[in-house]
Amino acid sequence: GAVVSQHPSRVICKSGTSVKIECRSLDFQATTMFWYRQFPKQSLMLMATSNEGSKATYEQGVEKDKFLINHASLTLSTLTVTSAHPEDSSFYICSASPRTGAYEQYFGPGTRLTVT
Amino acid sequence: GQSLEQPSEVTAVEGAIVQINCTYQTSGFYGLSWYQQHDGGAPTFLSYNALDGLEETGRFSSFLSRSDSYGYLLLQELQMKDSASYFCAVRKVTGGGNKLTFGTGTQLKVEL
Repeated sequence: GAVVSQHPSRVICKSGTSVKIECRSLDFQATTMFWYRQFPKQSLMLMATSNEGSKATYEQGVEKDKFLINHASLTLSTLTVTSAHPEDSSFYICSASPRTGAYEQYFGPGTRLTVT
Repeated sequence: GQSLEQPSEVTAVEGAIVQINCTYQTSGFYGLSWYQQHDGGAPTFLSYNALDGLEETGRFSSFLSRSDSYGYLLLQELQMKDSASYFCAVRKVTGGGNKLTFGTGTQLKVEL
């Protein structure tokens, strides 16, 4: 149980275009979903927390107009990287929590974004 | 601010026991989690400590001392497949819910 999927697993896009990444909880309802980014050989950095039906809460230093997050249902959250630049190239990972206050977070397999 | 420090790299031989330490500075601490991540893969949950003491889950154990802001992950009977990165993560509860702040990560290399 507690499977989280991400799509696509890899994406290459040109500078200036936008890319949408989907995160789905497959066998549970996720009240809260989280988006992280991870540069090679580095730690996971939380970008934002999204609760179903409400606006995402962004971490300090994360541009909310650049990284658009939508949590439209209890099983789907999307991250859109707008006007992507090479420095946005990274590994983007989502996680989902089965209930408010739960300590467990189940992680998706990640999306490797390369901006050329 | 917050910080979680881990050794960057640990090497051990197959069958041995290894301990990965984590020291943290944070406010609003609720618990310490441990995750394993293989190259290019998703972090997988290993263990969680909310209270002081040792939690054992098979070959993995995790320890927490809240007064010392310190925890460790103990891996026993090491296997080659245990070669991966290991992260400690502090759980904080905010108005928006739970948040995890990850440590710097420890790359474990298991050798024959």
